[in-house]
Amino acid sequence: GQNIDQPTEMTATEGAIVQINCTYQTSGFNGLFWYQQHAGEAPTFLSYNVLDGLEEKGRFSSFLSRSKGYSYLLLKELQMKDSASYLCAALDSNYQLIWGAGTKLIIKP
Amino acid sequence: DTAVSQTPKYLVTQMGNDKSIKCEQNLGHDTMYWYKQDSKKFLKIMFSYNNKELIINETVPNRFSPKSPDKAHLNLHINSLELGDSAVYFCASSPLAGDTGELFFGEGSRLTVL
Repeated sequence: GQNIDQPTEMTATEGAIVQINCTYQTSGFNGLFWYQQHAGEAPTFLSYNVLDGLEEKGRFSSFLSRSKGYSYLLLKELQMKDSASYLCAALDSNYQLIWGAGTKLIIKP
Repeated sequence: DTAVSQTPKYLVTQMGNDKSIKCEQNLGHDTMYWYKQDSKKFLKIMFSYNNKELIINETVPNRFSPKSPDKAHLNLHINSLELGDSAVYFCASSPLAGDTGELFFGEGSRLTVL
């Protein structure tokens, strides 16, 4: 079956760095998305990786290893507003998005 | 200026009732979706429409019926509501056919069935 695994919850300190991991098993693979979802709000797009390596976008970076079925989202210089759920989603061979349950990130002062 | 808008944002109703949620996008996208997010926060795709044609219909009860009068609108009608239908329903759109690209989500419609 198809599956996305990511930690349920993580805690980090304001100003620090945090890495949220995601492993995926899908029928074929056409890319990996990260979305941010604040409580009570809609998910918003953060990144898309389809090739191996690190993509940097400001304080956020996303990494992909296709051979390992693994991705991570790296958040630097954490701010209180980064407290949210981070959803990992993989695109399978039928171009259907398979979603993880999300990682709730708690930022402490 | 709202890109993807859905109404109502909150809906509380009794079991057995019929209700509808409307969605409109002004992004000119070809593809629209309905997702259900339950209390465990899993996002599950329900339907996908491309240019008013159904292209994904996941296993959902046939009490749920999507209707797309034009490519900018995708409404969700639910008959005979059940307690398990309580969830947040998100409408989304994307510029490409199928789940191929970035999704733009509406703000969600929180449905509570009593």
